[in-house]
Amino acid sequence: GQSLEQPSEVTAVEGAIVQINCTYQTSGFYGLSWYQQHDGGAPTFLSYNGLDGLEETGRFSSFLSRSDSYGYLLLQELQMKDSASYFCAANTGFQKLVFGTGTRLLVSP
Amino acid sequence: GAVVSQHPSWVICKSGTSVKIECRSLDFQATTMFWYRQFPKQSLMLMATSNEGSKATYEQGVEKDKFLINHASLTLSTLTVTSAHPEDSSFYICSARTSGNYEQYFGPGTRLTVT
Repeated sequence: GQSLEQPSEVTAVEGAIVQINCTYQTSGFYGLSWYQQHDGGAPTFLSYNGLDGLEETGRFSSFLSRSDSYGYLLLQELQMKDSASYFCAANTGFQKLVFGTGTRLLVSP
Repeated sequence: GAVVSQHPSWVICKSGTSVKIECRSLDFQATTMFWYRQFPKQSLMLMATSNEGSKATYEQGVEKDKFLINHASLTLSTLTVTSAHPEDSSFYICSARTSGNYEQYFGPGTRLTVT
């Protein structure tokens, strides 16, 4: 089967840095994407790692290690609006996405 | 750019009836559209993949006769939940992508409640 495991919940304070891990076991793996979803809203794309290493996009960075079947999303300078659910997703064959279990991030003042 | 809309945003229907949900890419042509289902506080589960003009490909365990998908044009895909039952109540989300692009653009979702 295919599975992507994430911590269920992470809490942090404004201004802090938080890392959300994702370990995966999939077939036909092409890369790892990260999506943010606020309650009741649509998932929005954050980043994509097709190659090993770090990708930086503003306050967000994402990392992939294919040899370890592991990736993470790093959020810096946390803001209250970052409170949301974060999903890693494996890009598999036929451009399908297999989503991880999801991590709920709670940012407090 | 890259906006995907869904209609309706929410719907309540009686058990045994059918419901159609539309997914449109507003400012781009979508070579592929995807339909997901999401239960409260859970992850997105892919139901099916549809390409314009061809039959949808369903994920294992998804009943194709119950969840009818039509992708009539490069900007429109529809999901019809036939003979809906309370256990079909869920958040249905579509997404779309263009050729050569790994990013998927998601619609705002449709909340279906079957009474």
